[in-house]
Amino acid sequence: NAGVTQTPKFQVLKTGQSMTLQCAQDMNHEYMSWYRQDPGMGLRLIHYSVGAGITDQGEVPNGYNVSRSTTEDFPLRLLSAAPSQTSVYFCASSTGTSRRTQYFGPGTRLLVL
Amino acid sequence: KNEVEQSPQNLTAQEGEFITINCSYSVGISALHWLQQHPGGGIVSLFMLSSGKKKHGRLIATINIQEKHSSLHITASHPRDSAVYICAVGAPNTDKLIFGTGTRLQVFP
Repeated sequence: NAGVTQTPKFQVLKTGQSMTLQCAQDMNHEYMSWYRQDPGMGLRLIHYSVGAGITDQGEVPNGYNVSRSTTEDFPLRLLSAAPSQTSVYFCASSTGTSRRTQYFGPGTRLLVL
Repeated sequence: KNEVEQSPQNLTAQEGEFITINCSYSVGISALHWLQQHPGGGIVSLFMLSSGKKKHGRLIATINIQEKHSSLHITASHPRDSAVYICAVGAPNTDKLIFGTGTRLQVFP
C-alpha cells in the first residue's frame, strides 16, 4: 500500500495563477480532508469529504475548490492563487469520523509570489 | 483562547530523560489524537484515545475526560524522538478535528 500520496511536493506560483494539488489514497477510506499548516497555527481544515460525490467546507474554504468523483482521489484546486495561500498543504484520510486513526500524506509546500 | 492548548511550546531534553507533553481542551470531545511530525514534514498518528491510557513502546498517552486534559509521555528519550508533537480533538457529532499548535521537542545526545 502506498497510503496517502500527494503531488507535487513543492510548487511556486505567481499571484493569479491556478493549480490543482493532487491527493490519492489506496486504503478505500471514505473520509478525506485537506488541511493547511501555517507557522504558529495548528492545522486548519479547508475542505473535507465523507464519500464519493460528497464534499463540505471546513474552517478556511475561501479560495479553494474540491471535488470527489472517486473514493481514491480528492484534488484541491486553487482558482486564482494569492500570497496568503502560501502554506504547507496536507491531505488526510480515515475510515470514518474523527474517532478513527488519521492517515496523512507527505504534504505539498506552496509558495505564491 | 484556542480550543486546544499544548504546553510547553518548545522542549529540550538530554537523551534518556523522561518527557511529558500536555494538552488541554475546552470543548466536549469524542476522541483525542496524538500525532508526530518529523523534521521532514510527514505527520504520523501515534495514539487515538477517548479514555484511560494507551502505551506503545516508549510512548504513553493518558487522558482525563473530567479535567479535559491529556498527556503524552516519552520514556528513555532518544534523539530520534526529536519532532513536533501535535494534539488534536474530535468534536462530538462532527467529522472534524481541532488541532493544537504543537510542541517542538529536541533530544540531544
